[in-house]
Amino acid sequence: SQQGEEDPQALSIQEGENATMNCSYKTSINNLQWYRQNSGRGLVHLILIRSNEREKHSGRLRVTLDTSKKSSSLLITASRAADTASYFCATDEYNFNKFYFGSGTKLNVKP
Amino acid sequence: SQTIHQWPATLVQPVGSPLSLECTVEGTSNPNLYWYRQAAGRGLQLLFYSVGIGQISSEVPQNLSASRPQDRQFILSSKKLLLSDSGFYLCAWRTTGGRTTEAFFGQGTRLTVV
Repeated sequence: SQQGEEDPQALSIQEGENATMNCSYKTSINNLQWYRQNSGRGLVHLILIRSNEREKHSGRLRVTLDTSKKSSSLLITASRAADTASYFCATDEYNFNKFYFGSGTKLNVKP
Repeated sequence: SQTIHQWPATLVQPVGSPLSLECTVEGTSNPNLYWYRQAAGRGLQLLFYSVGIGQISSEVPQNLSASRPQDRQFILSSKKLLLSDSGFYLCAWRTTGGRTTEAFFGQGTRLTVV
């Protein structure tokens, strides 16, 4: 089954503000990843958080994972116009082969 | 370094015509390969994945099929396209070996069935 739902579906903020997007999933996972997609392009990996981790940082990105609630959040601090893109969470099923993406959050950062 | 090639970038095909989209990977061996479809403004739907030559798993019943004739080649096909097959098709690969790794994506093929 497909899993992963992001909210909000769309988010519009001013440059310099923080952007938070959330991901919920349905089944047990080994880890969760976040990807970015510029319009009409392929996806690019941002960050991976393992199921035994609760928080991870990479530059201006902060990811949290709550396995009890089956949810994750991605925080982009001090956003820039160049952060405008769609953001997706992705999860493995237990055997690491199936790889599912959520519905995505479309972020618009206004200069 | 590893790269992934996906072509063509855009394609306009009439209803009922056949389809063949090709994806090749360089710089890695025995990758997991994936085909996704993305409707406009939507998420990615997993169509097929493959863990080895000739091994194809289908996620959803549909008008499409996939094949993996070589280790680093993944092909998406249809005998007769439907209007509903329109969308943005993405190929991806990742290494496995019992642990999770990131996925690398091609640039996608925008298919319009008319």
